[in-house]
Amino acid sequence: DAGVTQSPTHLIKTRGQHVTLRCSPISGHKSVSWYQQVLGQGPQFIFQYYEKEERGRGNFPDRFSARQFPNYSSELNVNALLLGDSALYLCASSLGRTPYEQYFGPGTRLTVT
Amino acid sequence: AQKVTQAQTEISVVEKEDVTLDCVYETRDTTYYLFWYKQPPSGELVFLIRRNSFDEQNEISGRYSWNFQKSTSSFNFTITASQVVDSAVYFCALPTGYSSASKIIFGSGTRLSIRP
Repeated sequence: DAGVTQSPTHLIKTRGQHVTLRCSPISGHKSVSWYQQVLGQGPQFIFQYYEKEERGRGNFPDRFSARQFPNYSSELNVNALLLGDSALYLCASSLGRTPYEQYFGPGTRLTVT
Repeated sequence: AQKVTQAQTEISVVEKEDVTLDCVYETRDTTYYLFWYKQPPSGELVFLIRRNSFDEQNEISGRYSWNFQKSTSSFNFTITASQVVDSAVYFCALPTGYSSASKIIFGSGTRLSIRP
């Protein structure tokens, strides 16, 4: 069975640009969560989506948004990129809402120049 | 407050030495889980173990063992006879928010380097 997949693997953007990251959860999983991991730190929670609705949001500015599609895949959008947005963005999927078992994807490494 | 503290930023040992990674947590939940993850240079988070607050028995899996002590709010991880392949960043984590937003709170990680 395929695990959590994320695309692209790497990308480089310029300050002020917009970026869209994509995540496909494990088949049958209905919850997708997004985390940002800045170099040298632990992952920080950004969003959780369950059954296509936002169920939680971390302490991130409105430049960050996300959505979940009917097939439970998800997109994370970041507008007006800042240098500080450079990070590894991790997607995690789980069967239900609870975080007892979240399976992480390989991440998308975003570099903002 | 919900918080995970990994005071050891970096640890370097020689291969075959035993090494313990410390984790201290804070939670207002009466029942909870704790996780450990490994993050090799590739970046992917590898799930190692999940323990619940009901069970304080130590757990051993091969060269890995975990010591959970509720009285001191600690969940320490020991690697016995370390190997170069154990080199990675290790995160202790606390899942939270069961009734609202479900998320995992991660510690800042301990970078473990095993020297041959």
